[in-house]
This record gives sequence, structure tokens and C-alpha cells, in this order.
Amino acid sequence: GAVVSQHPSWVICKSGTSVKIECRSLDFQATTMFWYRQFPKQSLMLMATSNEGSKATYEQGVEKDKFLINHASLTLSTLTVTSAHPEDSSFYICSAHLRRGGYEQYFGPGTRLTVT
Amino acid sequence: AQKVTQAQTEISVVEKEDVTLDCVYETRDTTYYLFWYKQPPSGELVFLIRRNSFDEQNEISGRYSWNFQKSTSSFNFTITASQVVDSAVYFCALSGYNQGGKLIFGQGTELSVKP
Repeated sequence: GAVVSQHPSWVICKSGTSVKIECRSLDFQATTMFWYRQFPKQSLMLMATSNEGSKATYEQGVEKDKFLINHASLTLSTLTVTSAHPEDSSFYICSAHLRRGGYEQYFGPGTRLTVT
Repeated sequence: AQKVTQAQTEISVVEKEDVTLDCVYETRDTTYYLFWYKQPPSGELVFLIRRNSFDEQNEISGRYSWNFQKSTSSFNFTITASQVVDSAVYFCALSGYNQGGKLIFGQGTELSVKP
């Protein structure tokens, strides 16, 4: 099946620094990639929709200047958490929408961010 | 608006028991997709099933079965003869045909299967 990778799998950073998380579709081209955030013991909440070559669409309540999304190619989307704070500590998961007939979405393994 | 409700926050069963995880959804879309995902402690989501709104046939896959009923807007998931390895958080999710692939997740049900 289709594979989506995320890098890094975990990261610890200091408050005030920025962190970049990569999401790659390894063996297919993704029309769209999605970024979700999951706090402990909670569900996944969609943060933004990322389309190749265009600006990301952010969900209500998500600060676009804080969570910068770049979708430079059909296989790569990046999420940069700028000026991270401890409350940004969370599990970030990306998913890629398969660019083919039908409807399939594949999830990456997630990135655990801890801001100290 | 779209919404998914998983009323059971936690379920604990003893191995070999059958267990049903409930999922109720709301949507105004006439065409939509329903999903179940498993999230083990590692965190990586494991896809279990996708069901189209126009296909109400129930499905069985090994010990897993799904009951989709549009009349009650429910898409329940049953594990037969549960095993310790089934312990995980299970999420039901919904995506409307015109939502561009966005998934709306339920709150999740944490299943604990004890030996």
C-alpha cells in the first residue's frame, strides 16, 4: 500500500525556537495533504489542508502565522511551528490524499513535539 | 455541519469477549465516507475500513465486522473474540464527498482487553 513518512518522529525544542516537520508520500503523488494535531487522550483535530503549489487552508482557530505550511511538490509538505511554546507540545500527524481515481487517504506515523 | 460521536470513552473487556464500539454521525452531504482507524500506543493510525454512503452492506473481515445503518446514522464496529492485541484507541471518522478529503474524527474509544 501507499506509504507516507514523517520526519522527525520526535523532537524536543526550547521555547521560542522554530521546528520543521516534513511529510512525504513515498510512492505516490498526493493531490492534497492534511495536517492534524492530537493532544494526549484526545482526538485528531484538523489544522490545515495543503495543496501543492497553493496556499494552505487553515481551520478556524489555527494561527496561520504560527503554523506555516509549505507544499512545494506533490510528494512533500512541511509544517513549521514558529516560536514554539510549551502549549504547542502535541502529536502532529499528516495524511496524504492519493491522486488517482477513487478516494484514499494515508496517514504518516506522526511527530511528537515537546517544547521545553 | 459534520459531526461524529463516539459515546464510549473507555471500554474494558476480558479476552475472548465480543465488544461493539458505537459510532453515530451527522452530515448534510448525500454522499459521504465513513472510516474506522485503530491507534495503538505507538500512535500511528491503522486504517481498518472505509464505507461509502451508498453501500449499506455490512462487512466482515476476520474477527472484525461493521454494521452501517443510514436510518440511524450509525456505523458500529464489533470485534469478536477480542484479544489483548486489540487494545488500542479506535476512531470513527467521516468525510463528505465535497469536503475535499477532510476527515472529521470522533472522540475515540479506548479499548482495553485484559488477559
